[in-house]
Amino acid sequence: EVQLVESGGGLVQPGGSLRLSCAASGFTFSSYWMSWVRQAPGKGLEWVANIKQDGSEKYYVDSVKGRFTISRDNAKNSLYLQMNSLRAEDTAVYYCAREWELNFQHWGQGTLVTVSS
Amino acid sequence: QSALTQPASVSGSPGQSITISCTGTSSDVGGYNYVSWYQQHPGKAPKLMIYEVSNRPSGVPDRFSGSKSGNTASLTISGLQAEDEADYYCSSYTSSSTLMFGGGTKLTVL
Repeated sequence: EVQLVESGGGLVQPGGSLRLSCAASGFTFSSYWMSWVRQAPGKGLEWVANIKQDGSEKYYVDSVKGRFTISRDNAKNSLYLQMNSLRAEDTAVYYCAREWELNFQHWGQGTLVTVSS
Repeated sequence: QSALTQPASVSGSPGQSITISCTGTSSDVGGYNYVSWYQQHPGKAPKLMIYEVSNRPSGVPDRFSGSKSGNTASLTISGLQAEDEADYYCSSYTSSSTLMFGGGTKLTVL
């Protein structure tokens, strides 16, 4: 069974940093593109970033470029999102998702990030 | 990177059919057959319902179908059931090698 478990969310002040993790199990992690998708409270889904199987290609939504970095450790079956210079508008539930043929095939349950003073 | 355009809400009675549209541009919806649809119940993670415009993952009822014409994709749910009440989101690949969601549509089953 595919499982994706996010962690690392919490309360952070504006301008601060946070690192999210996603532990994957039940599939060959190194064979799939992976994404982060977020959802602000009461709002819609927003794709944030994705990363190729070997980490050689990474793409980001414009609003996080230069502030967020996606990475992965295939030996640890883990996906990460380093978030710097956080803003109030980054407040959201962050989901880890396994991609397949450019869709989000499996999702984790999400971790809440709150940016507030 | 503006979101794809979806109606904010749609409604229908049990047994009826509804269609949710998802309008983009030739740089996303119209340019690729990588349009997918997701169902999200309150407090839950989204669930893939349709991929590559019209394909259903195993386990998704055949009441759910997808199509595309030009820059607009559509999700049709026939034989509406109470459990179909949820938020629905479309997604598309883009010419910038990114992915994009629609703003979401709240489906109410009357």
